[in-house]
Amino acid sequence: ETGVTQTPRHLVMGMTNKKSLKCEQHLGHNAMYWYKQSAKKPLELMFVYNFKEQTENNSVPSRFSPECPNSSHLFLHLHTLQPEDSALYLCASSQDMGYQQYFGPGTRLTVT
Amino acid sequence: DQQVKQNSPSLSVQEGRISILNCDYTNSMFDYFLWYKKYPAEGPTFLISISSIKDKNEDGRFTVFLNKSAKHLSLHIVPSQPGDSAVYFCAASHTTGRRALTFGSGTRLQVQP
Repeated sequence: ETGVTQTPRHLVMGMTNKKSLKCEQHLGHNAMYWYKQSAKKPLELMFVYNFKEQTENNSVPSRFSPECPNSSHLFLHLHTLQPEDSALYLCASSQDMGYQQYFGPGTRLTVT
Repeated sequence: DQQVKQNSPSLSVQEGRISILNCDYTNSMFDYFLWYKKYPAEGPTFLISISSIKDKNEDGRFTVFLNKSAKHLSLHIVPSQPGDSAVYFCAASHTTGRRALTFGSGTRLQVQP
């Protein structure tokens, strides 16, 4: 595997379900990010991890819970989501913050 | 409060002509700017970047221009090709402060054969 991978690519879940999104980067980077992209909106930064430490939580509701066990892996745990949380969730990584980020293909989430 | 704005949601150009995509920003602390391209069902891919110490950066058919006084940057694609059809995102960062990227809402470019 190369670059940034995300699983699953598509996810449909009910509002009472618990699921997790997984991201893995194979680039040796030290920073990882979660973004949300809703239709016709800018990419919204959700969380930033730098050397496994969360450095930014962009006022994200607690029903989204990130986890970064090491510099290569990032998870987004989901529970009791709302239909408006349906979006494309993108993971990214970078060697240094503020510069070029490499994105995964995203997980298309639908909450029913 | 959107700090990075792409006011044109879409742009259509003929193959071989120049495509010009525009981006405006409001935060004067931004000192690094990037353009990303995104195809459907894929994540954004990095295209080109520019530091605030420069006013132009060129990479093949792609050139980014930065006008700091106007807080404006543009991406020129010459000549445009049908494979360039995608959504283009402008992004900015403050490399010594809050270093996370701030993205614009994107411009959909359609290059007509």
